[in-house]
Amino acid sequence: AQSVTQPDIHITVSEGASLELRCNYSYGATPYLFWYVQSPGQGLQLLLKYFSGDTLVQGIKGFEAEFKRSQSSFNLRKPSVHWSDAAEYFCAVGPIQGAQKLVFGQGTRLTINP
Amino acid sequence: DAGVTQSPTHLIKTRGQHVTLRCSPISGHKSVSWYQQVLGQGPQFIFQYYEKEERGRGNFPDRFSARQFPNYSSELNVNALLLGDSALYLCASSLEGVGSYEQYFGPGTRLTVT
Repeated sequence: AQSVTQPDIHITVSEGASLELRCNYSYGATPYLFWYVQSPGQGLQLLLKYFSGDTLVQGIKGFEAEFKRSQSSFNLRKPSVHWSDAAEYFCAVGPIQGAQKLVFGQGTRLTINP
Repeated sequence: DAGVTQSPTHLIKTRGQHVTLRCSPISGHKSVSWYQQVLGQGPQFIFQYYEKEERGRGNFPDRFSARQFPNYSSELNVNALLLGDSALYLCASSLEGVGSYEQYFGPGTRLTVT
């Protein structure tokens, strides 16, 4: 069955430091991969997506992610975090069974120290 | 352009009652999906509708139902509410049912069952 694992439930980094959030997936074919961000009490905002082609994808707010098929990973990175990046981050994989169903990881909560 | 809108924002219901949640997709989007997000977890897929037809269903009981209207808006209905139905219900829209997997999420409806 398709699944997504985000090994880190909570990460704390200092403002200005680099960031890497891990995502591992299980999927039978070439996946479509997504990273979403959720601020407290808000919906999900799409940060970036991978469908095919270049395995390093750029997203909004200075985020990037690298698809590594051999490691079944799609890690999210940012070279220098800002206090406004504090939020919950979700990795997702799809499509599932021909539908636009996305399977999400449990999420990683990011805290920024001033 | 307006994003995905959902109503109501918050809702408090009693066990055994029925609830209807509403979603308006982004203009031009024909596909609507519903997700349930329990506190501390990632969203879980409930339904996808495209052109008023059900395209996918998640692992939820028959108490959950949905429909899509000719204007592509959608309703999610939950009967015989249980305490465990307390969650953030997210609606997502996308351009088409297949081939376009970018889903854009609304702010959600926070349902509390007492």
